[in-house]
Amino acid sequence: EVQLLESAGGLAQPGGSLRLSCAASGFTFNRYAMGWVRQAPGKGPEWVSAIGGSGERTYYANSVKGRFTISRDNAKNMLYLQMSSLRAEDAAVYYCVREGPVPYFDYWGQGTLVTVSS
Amino acid sequence: EIVLTQSPGTLSLSPGERATLSCRASQSVSSNYLAWHQHKPGQAPRLLIYGASSRATGIPDRFSGSGSGTDFTLTISRLEPEDFAVYYCHQYGSSPHTFGQGTKLEIK
Repeated sequence: EVQLLESAGGLAQPGGSLRLSCAASGFTFNRYAMGWVRQAPGKGPEWVSAIGGSGERTYYANSVKGRFTISRDNAKNMLYLQMSSLRAEDAAVYYCVREGPVPYFDYWGQGTLVTVSS
Repeated sequence: EIVLTQSPGTLSLSPGERATLSCRASQSVSSNYLAWHQHKPGQAPRLLIYGASSRATGIPDRFSGSGSGTDFTLTISRLEPEDFAVYYCHQYGSSPHTFGQGTKLEIK
């Protein structure tokens, strides 16, 4: 059974940093691209970032480019999102997602809440 | 980027009824790369449909997707109590991926 389990998000101050983790299990992790999607209160989901199976290719939404870094550790079946220079508008529930053979998202984690406030 | 507009915002129906949810794109979705996801409170979202009309693994056949180009539809033929949730359309044919704002399907 595919499982994606995000670490607890937490509270950060504006301008601060936070790192999210996602533990993957139930599939051959290095064969799949992975990503992050976020959802702010009252809004639809927003794609944030993606990374290829080997970790060589990374992609970012314009809203986070230069501030967020996606990475993975295939030996540990872990996905990460390092978030820096956080803004109030980054506050959201962040979901870890697996990309299918064509890049729709075939599995989602339960999400972790990130709050940005002073 | 492609903007997806879902309608209605809220749909109130009874179990056993048919639900029709709409998703309209601001421009043509490449290769009809349009997915539908179901989200219940406190749970992980679940992929229902990909490629506009292909059911994901384990999805009951009462869920069906149709459409092409800019107009897409998710149909639930006979609503079961567990189908009441929020549904999002998602296009993955153009970068960046985008989502609709959701349709809340509630019990009447």
